[in-house]
Amino acid sequence: DIQMTQSPSFLSASVGDRVTINCKASQNINRYLNWYQQKLGEAPKLLIYNANSLQTGIPSRFSGSGSGTDFTLTISSLQPEDVATYFCLQHNSWPYTFGAGTKLELK
Amino acid sequence: QVQLKETGPDLVQLTQTLSITCTVSGFSLTTYNVHWVRQPPGKGLEWMGAMWNGGGTDYNSAFKSRLSISRDTSKSQVFLKMNSLQTDDTAKYFCARHAVRRGFDYWGQGVMVTVSS
Repeated sequence: DIQMTQSPSFLSASVGDRVTINCKASQNINRYLNWYQQKLGEAPKLLIYNANSLQTGIPSRFSGSGSGTDFTLTISSLQPEDVATYFCLQHNSWPYTFGAGTKLELK
Repeated sequence: QVQLKETGPDLVQLTQTLSITCTVSGFSLTTYNVHWVRQPPGKGLEWMGAMWNGGGTDYNSAFKSRLSISRDTSKSQVFLKMNSLQTDDTAKYFCARHAVRRGFDYWGQGVMVTVSS
């Protein structure tokens, strides 16, 4: 199975900060990497698919980059409503596997 | 709009069988695939298995023969059944819509199931 190493596990930032979260795959997954936001008690929400494609309805402050094994989610200017857990998903090969998650809080 | 909702028990006894229903709306089960994913408390997400739009299924080998996924297209429902439950099966169970080469694009809120002795 492909291992997804996500970092950091916890992140504290201020409103307006630029925030980056990383996922590293144990082998090449091309661009088949998604980013999700999960708020307490809510369904996970797809933010970015295929490394850098913004899902419809997601604010443009969210962006993704990377290919192969190294990927980054960037929030260009953190907003209070962005407090959540973020996780990545590789969908290049079965079984699909997930990063362990990054809990983002406001400083 | 696309929605998925899981319904199932809060509590299941050790060694018993878990049954969860995923009811979908806004799309057809004959067009999209629906998968099951779980998340034990404080741990990461784990893919469990798939119901493909053609009616076939696939399972994570980690669950061996314990897991069964089925559907009723007339009711827009996908079913998860897992037997021989252990305490480490305590988790939040999610269903998610799968779009080819887009991964999971919509998820349900999940149902938290505790396995009790």
